[in-house]
Amino acid sequence: ETGVTQTPRHLVMGMTNKKSLKCEQHLGHNAMYWYKQSAKKPLELMFVYSLEERVENNSVPSRFSPECPNSSHLFLHLHTLQPEDSALYLCASSQALPFYNEQFFGPGTRLTVL
Amino acid sequence: AQKITQTQPGMFVQEKEAVTLDCTYDTSDPSYGLFWYKQPSSGEMIFLIYQGSYDQQNATEGRYSLNFQKARKSANLVISASQLGDSAMYFCAMREVGNKLVFGAGTILRVKS
Repeated sequence: ETGVTQTPRHLVMGMTNKKSLKCEQHLGHNAMYWYKQSAKKPLELMFVYSLEERVENNSVPSRFSPECPNSSHLFLHLHTLQPEDSALYLCASSQALPFYNEQFFGPGTRLTVL
Repeated sequence: AQKITQTQPGMFVQEKEAVTLDCTYDTSDPSYGLFWYKQPSSGEMIFLIYQGSYDQQNATEGRYSLNFQKARKSANLVISASQLGDSAMYFCAMREVGNKLVFGAGTILRVKS
């Protein structure tokens, strides 16, 4: 596997379900990100992990819970979601420093909440 | 206030012609970076080109070039010799000090044969 991978690619869940999105990067990076892409809205940064510590949480509801067990893996745990949470969830990674390093994105997980 | 503005929701270009996608940005930080990403229908975001605020020359990467006008706070993407595979959504983004990348709303580009 190369680059940034995400599983699953598609997920349909009910509002009472608990599920997790997984992201893995094979690039030796030390910063990882979760973004949400809704229809007709710009990409929204949700969480940033740098050197395995959460350094950014953009007022994301608590029904989204990130976990970064090591520099290569990032999870997004989902619980009691709402239909408006249906979106494409993108994971990205980069070197934390210098700050101009580009972010490499995974293919995304298309989430539908019924 | 929006930090990244892409005023063109959609653009058409004839195959083999050049096209310019507009991007303006807003920051008071003297040190920043500007990025362009391509997102095909598959959803993956593909990095295209980077321009640093202190770079003296416009960035170029193959058929992509960035028309950086610092005083106007614009960073337009120029795609030369358009190909059908260039049809995608294009995002301009800015990174200030720290790890936060802020994206514009995007421009859909359609290349016609």
